[in-house]
Amino acid sequence: GQQVMQIPQYQHVQEGEDFTTYCNSSTTLSNIQWYKQRPGGHPVFLIQLVKSGEVKKQKRLTFQFGEAKKNSSLHITATQTTDVGTYFCAGQGPNTGNQFYFGTGTSLTVIP
Amino acid sequence: EAQVTQNPRYLITVTGKKLTVTCSQNMNHEYMSWYRQDPGLGLRQIYYSMNVEVTDKGDVPEGYKVSRKEKRNFPLILESPSPNQTSLYFCASSLYPFTDTQYFGPGTRLTVL
Repeated sequence: GQQVMQIPQYQHVQEGEDFTTYCNSSTTLSNIQWYKQRPGGHPVFLIQLVKSGEVKKQKRLTFQFGEAKKNSSLHITATQTTDVGTYFCAGQGPNTGNQFYFGTGTSLTVIP
Repeated sequence: EAQVTQNPRYLITVTGKKLTVTCSQNMNHEYMSWYRQDPGLGLRQIYYSMNVEVTDKGDVPEGYKVSRKEKRNFPLILESPSPNQTSLYFCASSLYPFTDTQYFGPGTRLTVL
């Protein structure tokens, strides 16, 4: 079945350092979404990517969808303590109907 | 205020005692889902619904039931809970499944003893 893996599982950074999480799918994805979950909170939608090679930016966050549509990345420039949380990718496979597949998540800790 | 509500937020129960977790959204969304979240496994979709009376299995449907009799409500039913269903559960909704923001409820932490 569809599998979506994320690496790393955990990441500790000093405030001001950059951070990247990678999302890899076992099959081609039709599209991919990214979510952020603060500790003790619920996932909050960040962005959706649809096109091969697409790059979108939200302030210090840069999202990329791979050319083959099997991987994606989220890069945060100059992390802040407000970036703390777990980041998830979620995708739709080409033959999986309306089912969502979430990645395993990357937990980011920012050390002040 | 646009929101997804879940009740209860916390529940401790015993094996075999039927329970229902309610989910309601006030955004007139077509698509609703239930997920469970377990450490190291991310979020896994249990069931989803495209509209009233239309439900489909997700990745981990065993031991769960759902119904969608009204557009705004999507309850999750555990007929005979077991300890391996101890988890954090989230309900979510969106206008359509992959073209719109998916809004999540606050979560229900369930412990089955």
